[in-house]
Amino acid sequence: GQQVMQIPQYQHVQEGEDFTTYCNSSTTLSNIQWYKQRPGGHPVFLIQLVKSGEVKKQKRLTFQFGEAKKNSSLHITATQTTDVGTYFCAGKDRGSTLGRLYFGRGTQLTVWP
Amino acid sequence: NAGVMQNPRHLVRRRGQEARLRCSPMKGHSHVYWYRQLPEEGLKFMVYLQKENIIDESGMPKERFSAEFPKEGPSILRIQQVVRGDSAAYFCASSPSTGFGEQYFGPGTRLTVT
Repeated sequence: GQQVMQIPQYQHVQEGEDFTTYCNSSTTLSNIQWYKQRPGGHPVFLIQLVKSGEVKKQKRLTFQFGEAKKNSSLHITATQTTDVGTYFCAGKDRGSTLGRLYFGRGTQLTVWP
Repeated sequence: NAGVMQNPRHLVRRRGQEARLRCSPMKGHSHVYWYRQLPEEGLKFMVYLQKENIIDESGMPKERFSAEFPKEGPSILRIQQVVRGDSAAYFCASSPSTGFGEQYFGPGTRLTVT
């Protein structure tokens, strides 16, 4: 069945360093979404990518969707302590008519000052 | 515009009791999703509902768990005869349409089974 894998599971960086998390799907996706969950909080939508090879930026965050629509990445430039949290990718299987999203396990980012 | 509401926020149940978790989607949203999250783990899909219909329950355990989204009122996730392994955070999310578009998550219900 559909699987979405995310690496690394944990990442510890010093404030100011860059951070990247990678997401890979076992099947072709119709779209990929990214969510952020702060400690003790709930997932909050960040962005959605739909087109093959798409790149979107939000301030220090850069999101990419692979050409084959099976992988994606989130890159944060010059991390800040406010970036702490767990970042999840979630994709919808292109072959599915249902609205279910398949979530990766998440990358837990710790930023120390 | 109120977001997704879940109650209770914290629920403590003894083994064998029933747990009822409620979710009111955002106004105008007719699609509801339930997820379970264990500490340090990702979101595990449980069930996807529309008003009065279960669309996908492939992530729901076959026994003791049920979900509904009636024509009127909130969506309810019901866990009968709870066991310690049911202790987790249960999140509800809603969306206005299926296929594309983000899901809006509620604050979650933290269930503790003693």
